[in-house]
Amino acid sequence: QVQLKESGPGLVQPSQTLSLTCTVSGFSLTSYNVHWVRQPPGKGLEWMGVIWSGGNTDYNSALKPRLSISRDTSKSQVFLTMNSLQTEDTGIYYCNRRGGYWGQGVMVTVSS
Amino acid sequence: DIQMTQSPSFLSASVGDRVTINCKASQNINKYLNWYQQKLGEAPKRLIYNTNNLQTGIPSRFSGSGSGTDYTLTISSLQPEDFATYFCLQHNSFPYTFGAGTKLELK
Repeated sequence: QVQLKESGPGLVQPSQTLSLTCTVSGFSLTSYNVHWVRQPPGKGLEWMGVIWSGGNTDYNSALKPRLSISRDTSKSQVFLTMNSLQTEDTGIYYCNRRGGYWGQGVMVTVSS
Repeated sequence: DIQMTQSPSFLSASVGDRVTINCKASQNINKYLNWYQQKLGEAPKRLIYNTNNLQTGIPSRFSGSGSGTDYTLTISSLQPEDFATYFCLQHNSFPYTFGAGTKLELK
């Protein structure tokens, strides 16, 4: 059974770094790509980036200077790191996989 | 970046109605267009992939069509559980981009 679950701190201070983990089960990270998508409160969806099954990454150019996606295949985990957080980075962060599989999302609030 | 213009932003309809939602891309996206449904507090659910392929488990009242820059999601007969927000996503080129969403409300 394919599952993805995001985890991370609910609250981050402005200018600090966000670190999120997507823990997957039911498939191998070396066989499937994992994407990150975020959604500000009450707004639309923004594609952030992807880590390919081979380990390469692609990022939304708007976020690229601040964003990094990596993984630990032995732990079936994908990591999102984004620095210099601002209030507009507040929202729900989702990881997802081809085939329509999404995690439940994790809410991140950027506030002092 | 490819811009996805989704219309309408809001749609008021009744159970049993046939509704259509449109997405127009700023350039040809070669049918790499998915449709998602999102209910409050839930993750998006994929309904249609690559323009017209129905996701497993999704009722056949949902269908998709289109080519080039213009794409449509059709719900043939609205059911109470269909009142939600719908998004399109182009995955033809990076960065992938979503439409702004259509909120489907009960009239």
